[in-house]
Amino acid sequence: DAKTTQPTSMDCAEGRAANLPCNHSTISGNEYVYWYRQIHSQGPQYIIHGLKNNETNEMASLIITEDRKSSTLILPHATLRDTAVYYCIVRVLTTSGTYKYIFGTGTRLKVLA
Amino acid sequence: EAGVAQSPRYKIIEKRQSVAFWCNPISGHATLYWYQQILGQGPKLLIQFQNNGVVDDSQLPKDRFSAERLKGVDSTLKIQPAKLEDSAVYLCASSLASPTSGGRETQYFGPGTRLLVL
Repeated sequence: DAKTTQPTSMDCAEGRAANLPCNHSTISGNEYVYWYRQIHSQGPQYIIHGLKNNETNEMASLIITEDRKSSTLILPHATLRDTAVYYCIVRVLTTSGTYKYIFGTGTRLKVLA
Repeated sequence: EAGVAQSPRYKIIEKRQSVAFWCNPISGHATLYWYQQILGQGPKLLIQFQNNGVVDDSQLPKDRFSAERLKGVDSTLKIQPAKLEDSAVYLCASSLASPTSGGRETQYFGPGTRLLVL
């Protein structure tokens, strides 16, 4: 029961910005949005997270809409090494009172030379 | 800082055999997670520990899967007997945050163990 919807795949030219959208229309007020990426044969790697405000770090920027129903991960200058599957994740509160990540199927980003 | 370690990296077994995976989390991380990732899908949480106690194992197929975290550090995940549909990557992750507290929490993942059941 994924809480996020992402495009299956996207292409981006090397050096250009990659904009990866995510829909999380059922997100609750205190649930954070996380982005991870997974390069082939490796474990997922943390990129960025946010609650309400836009966030930026050395890897990427995260833009969250005012209603929090969607967000966009921006890689400002994509390189070939950014080719990976990108997961938009919501950290949800379960009925047992614990929090856990709910992964969707992710977006396969291919950066083209 | 050393990352999350897992072994073995690859394992091939026949159905009905047993298999065990090992995970060593980042030092000081109280919370440990085991995920199953089937080809083409995102990781699915199987079980989470806080120190050596199980916090959530609602998605763990308990008739064949078991996990333990002795002394609140290393953890093992076992499958006995394995089925064809258990072929997947098994990921271990750890974090500083408690699974019962809201707010931010960053999970750090190991490289995974790729299991093939024939």
